[in-house]
Amino acid sequence: DVKVTQSSRYLVKRTGEKVFLECVQDMDHENMFWYRQDPGLGLRLIYFSYDVKMKEKGDIPEGYSVSREKKERFSLILESASTNQTSMYLCASSLATGWGLAGVLDTQYFGPGTRLTVL
Amino acid sequence: GQQVMQIPQYQHVQEGEDFTTYCNSSTTLSNIQWYKQRPGGHPVFLIQLVKSGEVKKQKRLTFQFGEAKKNSSLHITATQTTDVGTYFCAEPRTTSGTYKYIFGTGTRLKVLA
Repeated sequence: DVKVTQSSRYLVKRTGEKVFLECVQDMDHENMFWYRQDPGLGLRLIYFSYDVKMKEKGDIPEGYSVSREKKERFSLILESASTNQTSMYLCASSLATGWGLAGVLDTQYFGPGTRLTVL
Repeated sequence: GQQVMQIPQYQHVQEGEDFTTYCNSSTTLSNIQWYKQRPGGHPVFLIQLVKSGEVKKQKRLTFQFGEAKKNSSLHITATQTTDVGTYFCAEPRTTSGTYKYIFGTGTRLKVLA
């Protein structure tokens, strides 16, 4: 079974702190994603990565950065946490099919989520 | 930002009643996926639809892809308390040679025993 783990289930930080959220997958997947989930807004994509050291902005990248130094690990960084970044953060991974099959969407496997509270 | 509209946002049903959620897109889709998230859990893949007019069934769940591939629905027959959760659709969008996933706003289902 695919396993996606996240470093913390719950995290409390103060405004202005630098926050690192880590995600690890064990299935050799090329694609990894970071979402935030807020009531009534569904899942919104922050950043994604389709290869080591490669990253693409999602729909709401402002205030976030990411790092992918190894294939299995994708980190989300809040450079200076703010209260409006209080949310549930979900990491996901999927197997890349290549550009030729880009029309076919791969199954995403999600981690358990990190509930971040910024005070 | 881009979001996929799902309706309704919430639905409360009595156990045994049917339930349907709809996902509507402004563009023609190559395919669509459905996920379920139990309370306190994370989204879990249910199914993928690819063909125009496709209908797939999983026990009491029926998934349909519109003829024009712009909408999709999930219908649950005779709901049970185990069906409680939020149902999301997800559609692919390509950007500069890569593709990403846009999730719907979700429909939260509550089943009253």
